[in-house]
Amino acid sequence: DVKVTQSSRYLVKRTGEKVFLECVQDMDHENMFWYRQDPGLGLRLIYFSYDVKMKEKGDIPEGYSVSREKKERFSLILESASTNQTSMYLCASSFSVNQPQHFGDGTRLSIL
Amino acid sequence: AQSVTQLDSHVSVSEGTPVLLRCNYSSSYSPSLFWYVQHPNKGLQLLLKYTSAATLVKGINGFEAEFKKSETSFHLTKPSAHMSDAAEYFCVVSEGYNKLIFGAGTRLAVHP
Repeated sequence: DVKVTQSSRYLVKRTGEKVFLECVQDMDHENMFWYRQDPGLGLRLIYFSYDVKMKEKGDIPEGYSVSREKKERFSLILESASTNQTSMYLCASSFSVNQPQHFGDGTRLSIL
Repeated sequence: AQSVTQLDSHVSVSEGTPVLLRCNYSSSYSPSLFWYVQHPNKGLQLLLKYTSAATLVKGINGFEAEFKKSETSFHLTKPSAHMSDAAEYFCVVSEGYNKLIFGAGTRLAVHP
């Protein structure tokens, strides 16, 4: 079974802080994704990566950046956290185009 | 552009009765379609996927979905609900290169 592990289940940070969310997958998947999930809005794609050091903007990249230095690890960075970034963040990975994505359990981030 | 509409934000059923969660999609070409389930404080788990093979797709935990091109629908059904089915369900369409479009979700409640 694919295992996608997010480093924190719950995180509380202050406005203006730089925040790192980490994600690791163990199935040698090419593609990795970061989403945020908000009530009534479903999942929205922030960034994705289709290879090491490669990244593409999703639908809502503003205020975020990403890093993929190794194939198994994909980090989401909030450059200067704001209260409107309080949300559930989900990481996912997939083997190839149109294949199902496998999700981690999520990080519930609160910005105070 | 592709889109997904889940027609009910909440569905409530009694244990042992059938489940129907409705999903309509729009797509400019032959889509890949998925249903995911999310239990409280967990990530998303793939229930089933349609990728242009059989129109009736069987998934895990007794769920199935039927792809109807003429109606642009991909409704999820289960003959007999179980208490453990209570969760949020997402209908998802693939837009091609790594892009998944998520519906807003349907929350299923199962009563004894």
